[in-house]
Amino acid sequence: SYVLTQPPSVSVAPGKTARITCGGNDIGSTSVHWYQQKPGQAPVLVMSYDSDRPSGIPERFSGSNSGNTATLTITRVEAGDEADYYCQVWDSSSDHGVFGTGTKVTVL
Amino acid sequence: QVQLVQSGAEVKKPGSSVKVSCRASGGTISRYAISWVRQAPGQGLEWMGGIIPIVGIANYAQKFQGRVTITADKSTSTAYMDLNSLRSEDTAVYFCARGPPRNYASGSYYNGEHYQYWAQGTLVTVSS
Repeated sequence: SYVLTQPPSVSVAPGKTARITCGGNDIGSTSVHWYQQKPGQAPVLVMSYDSDRPSGIPERFSGSNSGNTATLTITRVEAGDEADYYCQVWDSSSDHGVFGTGTKVTVL
Repeated sequence: QVQLVQSGAEVKKPGSSVKVSCRASGGTISRYAISWVRQAPGQGLEWMGGIIPIVGIANYAQKFQGRVTITADKSTSTAYMDLNSLRSEDTAVYFCARGPPRNYASGSYYNGEHYQYWAQGTLVTVSS
């Protein structure tokens, strides 16, 4: 089955830029979606189809996807961005959803 | 705007079964594919399976094959996830989720399936 690997944690100072990676074999050939999850809450979609921001998601969030790595970038990081972030793809060969291992973003 | 609302928390004994419901309020689930995702305490998100309600076709992650059954009742716009042979490791919050509305009449998923909306989650505790 398809595996998506994320760094367990990313730490960033307020106002700086956080980059969260999602590694997978030839991930650049498929669409990657990203979710933000705060403690005790359901996940929230923050990026779809690599780089499309859903309505209501700040422009500080952006995404890219190429080769074996997809990246979610958060610029001008705020305290409210502290959360777990998960990447996700649809494995069309098996018709299964696949989530990444998750990254905890800590705002220093 | 279709929202998803799940049934309440459950406490189950090892070896028993649990059935969690996911009702779509404000519309029909026929235009969506519904997936079930679980999250064990302190762990990540895990895709369990999904269903295309308009055709009633379900598919499951290999890990849960034979233990999980996902169904949908179009008349009540409700999807269900039934997990049997429960063990302590099944203690988790179970979420149903859906993507944007699409034409699923062919019974095929779209490449790029993702989850635009999530229900609030249901805590299932398995304990003797």
